[in-house]
Parts: sequence; C-alpha cells; structure tokens
Amino acid sequence: AQSVTQLGSHVSVSEGALVLLRCNYSSSVPPYLFWYVQYPNQGLQLLLKYTSAATLVKGINGFEAEFKKSETSFHLTKPSAHMSDAAEYFCALSGAGTALIFGKGTTLSVSS
Amino acid sequence: NAGVTQTPKFRVLKTGQSMTLLCAQDMNHEYMYWYRQDPGMGLRLIHYSVGEGTTAKGEVPDGYNVSRLKKQNFLLGLESAAPSQTSVYFCASKREDSSPLHFGNGTRLTVT
Repeated sequence: AQSVTQLGSHVSVSEGALVLLRCNYSSSVPPYLFWYVQYPNQGLQLLLKYTSAATLVKGINGFEAEFKKSETSFHLTKPSAHMSDAAEYFCALSGAGTALIFGKGTTLSVSS
Repeated sequence: NAGVTQTPKFRVLKTGQSMTLLCAQDMNHEYMYWYRQDPGMGLRLIHYSVGEGTTAKGEVPDGYNVSRLKKQNFLLGLESAAPSQTSVYFCASKREDSSPLHFGNGTRLTVT
C-alpha cells in the first residue's frame, strides 16, 4: 500500500525566512516522489522530482528536497521565502506500475 | 504546443443531469488520469488509463465512467450528477512510469 502524509496543512513564514514543508511516505515499491505547486485558480505545476538518482533534488524557483529512505521523508525546503512563493504545495508518490497519489496539501503563507 | 486541455472550464448541473468532461493531450502520452480536488482533501484519483483502450478505477470511482477510445483523449462521464460531485476536476497525463504529470487547468463543476 502507498500513502503520503504532509505534516501541517498551513505554514506561515516571513519573507526571507527558511521554508520547510514536510512530507512522509509509505510505499511497498521503490518510490518516485514529486512536489507540485498550485497557485489560485490554476492547475498544478511540477517543482521537482526524485526518481532514484541523486537524493538531493533541486527544482525550480530555488526549491530543493532531500530523499531520506531511513526516515521515509521527502521534505521541501527553500532558504529564503519570497512573497511569490505563497501557494498550495502538494507532495506526491508513485511507484512502478502504480498511479500517482497526493498528500492533502500544505498552504504556504508569506508575510512581509 | 497546447499540452493538456480540459473542456469545459466551468459547468453548473442540476441533480440527476448528465455530462461529459473532455481531456485532450498533444504530447503522445500513454498515461492519463482524472482527479478531483476538494478543500482539505488534496487530489483524489477517480479513474486512469495506461494506454489507448484501457481504463482502471482509482480511489473514488463511484458515480463516474471513463473512456479512452483515442490515445490523445480521455473522457470523464457523470451519468446522474449528485451534489457530492461538486468539485474541481483535473486531468493529467504522463509519458511513462517515472515521468511527472502534466496537468490541465481544471473544470469547476457545481451540482445543485
């Protein structure tokens, strides 16, 4: 069975502060892991993906995530938040032959 | 290059009416998916297809049917709409197992 858990439905940071969005997963097969971002009234855009190459994955807009098998985690980070980062973020998981499943999402708010 | 196109963008139905949502992709992708997004629930998989002529049930398939007669199109049907089907529906496609999903911009459906 596969599952994705995003810890914290809402995260608030100040502009310039570290962004940390948490994602834990459970998978019976080697996972492919993704982070997507959704801006209001839009579809989802891919931020980054892990597909068993480097464990530290760099994405767009300065985001990165680290795959930690021992902790079954794939947390998303950004060193310095911008106002434009305010959006909803989704962690997602698939495996060979399985459909992509999503966590419930984390809304990131950025204050000036 | 249009990517994934969903029609219509908005629709209001009365309980018991039927409708079909169309998803078209021009990337020659094998895999196509229908998700629904509800507040606090993330994206939940309704049905998916791993190739032309194939379909499979996802997490929440009841009340929906799908067809994939042509590789580029994936249709989602509601035979008898219910208020519980009020949601935003997203179609997505991908090339292969480890590929990320490409999303359409969504269809906002309201059932009264």
